[in-house]
Amino acid sequence: DTGVSQDPRHKITKRGQNVTFRCDPISEHNRLYWYRQTLGQGPEFLTYFQNEAQLEKSRLLSDRFSAERPKGSFSTLEIQRTEQGDSAMYLCASSLGRGAQSNTGELFFGEGSRLTVL
Amino acid sequence: GNSVTQMEGPVTLSEEAFLTINCTYTATGYPSLFWYVQYPGEGLQLLLKATKADDKGSNKGFEATYRKETTSFHLEKGSVQVSDSAVYFCALTVWIQGAQKLVFGQGTRLTINP
Repeated sequence: DTGVSQDPRHKITKRGQNVTFRCDPISEHNRLYWYRQTLGQGPEFLTYFQNEAQLEKSRLLSDRFSAERPKGSFSTLEIQRTEQGDSAMYLCASSLGRGAQSNTGELFFGEGSRLTVL
Repeated sequence: GNSVTQMEGPVTLSEEAFLTINCTYTATGYPSLFWYVQYPGEGLQLLLKATKADDKGSNKGFEATYRKETTSFHLEKGSVQVSDSAVYFCALTVWIQGAQKLVFGQGTRLTINP
C-alpha cells in the first residue's frame, strides 16, 4: 500500500516538551496538507505546501508550531513547548495538482498521529 | 465566511433502514461539496462529491445532491449495512493559492446494528 503514512501513530508527552510528527505523502503528489482534529470535531486546516513551498498557514498555527517540507517529499510538523490544549489528532493529506484549480478535490489522508499532552 | 453544519450525532439505525444525514453550508462563491468517511481505525477517505448546483454524487449506494437554493448536501442511503458504521464528514472547498482547502463539518457518527 503506497498511501499517506504518518509517524508516530501515537505520542504521549509531558507539557513543555517538544514533539515532531512526520508525514510521507503519496509519492507523485505535489500538494501536502496538515489538519488538526479534536474529539467530536471535524478536521481543521493548519497549513499547506505545494512542493517545498509553504503557501498558507492557519491562525490556528501559533509560533510554537512549525512545518517543513524540505525536498518537496515528506513533511514534518513540530510543536515546541507543548500545552495540554495541543492534544489532538494531527492529520496529513496529499493531492496531485497540475495547475490553478485543476485539482479533482480529493485529498488522500493518512491515519493520523494522536498527541496526548499530560 | 465558509462553514459546514451537520446533523448532530450519534445516529443509530438497524440494518436495511433508510439513512439521511443532513448537511448545510455557508460559502462565498460556488464551492464544491464532499462527503468523507472515516471507518474505525482508518484515515478519512472520499465517499462522494458534487462540483456544481444540481449535481448528484454517488458511491457505494450513498447519494447526495448539491442544492444551491437550500445550501444543502444531504447524504442518503436506501438500505444501510453494518459495514456502513463510521463517522461521516460533510465538507466544502475554499481555493487558496491555486489549491483546495477543505472546510469540514463536525462529523456524524453512524452505528448500524444487525
